[in-house]
Amino acid sequence: LAKTTQPISMDSYEGQEVNITCSHNNIATNDYITWYQQFPSQGPRFIIQGYKTKVTNEVASLFIPADRKSSTLSLPRVSLSDTAVYYCLDTNAGKSTFGDGTTLTVKP
Amino acid sequence: NAGVTQTPKFQVLKTGQSMTLQCAQDMNHEYMSWYRQDPGMGLRLIHYSVGAGITDQGEVPNGYNVSRSTTEDFPLRLLSAAPSQTSVYFCASSTGDRANEAFFGQGTRLTVV
Repeated sequence: LAKTTQPISMDSYEGQEVNITCSHNNIATNDYITWYQQFPSQGPRFIIQGYKTKVTNEVASLFIPADRKSSTLSLPRVSLSDTAVYYCLDTNAGKSTFGDGTTLTVKP
Repeated sequence: NAGVTQTPKFQVLKTGQSMTLQCAQDMNHEYMSWYRQDPGMGLRLIHYSVGAGITDQGEVPNGYNVSRSTTEDFPLRLLSAAPSQTSVYFCASSTGDRANEAFFGQGTRLTVV
């Protein structure tokens, strides 16, 4: 499984919408795109997963274009508690390769 | 459900010592894996298992052994600890389906002196 590419860090303010984009240059046909959130001293926590087009759940939306070479995680109206590291992954049958993630800092 | 349970939470070893990190899950997941996370970096896959009796190597397997005798347990053994193995270790489990989420334990913080 290939590693993805994403920005090292992003800053935002409370109440704003945050979009984090990831490059999946080597994604395989059978791979899904999955996003995880990690707080300090904790294991990663699943946020959302998709194969193509748009997926939405209670915490985020995931946009995947037709070529699947990128994905965008959208967090609506972030709060201070959304400060964390966000990882995008190509996943297949539970096997995943993590990159270095995007550190999102939400400021008051 | 307890989910994925890792023990111990913290451990200090001397160089050359061996130990086993324990991981247990109660979700009847077929797929289990071990990762290590060094400061400021992402997780790197050490070993994984797609079911009882089946294991395979990940990105960084050297210095570690695993076995999977039951669906619930997936211990990670450090054969001869080295300072380079100082890290936080995470165990994860999932159903193994193409589309699925992985559940992670809380981690074991290991220091080798």
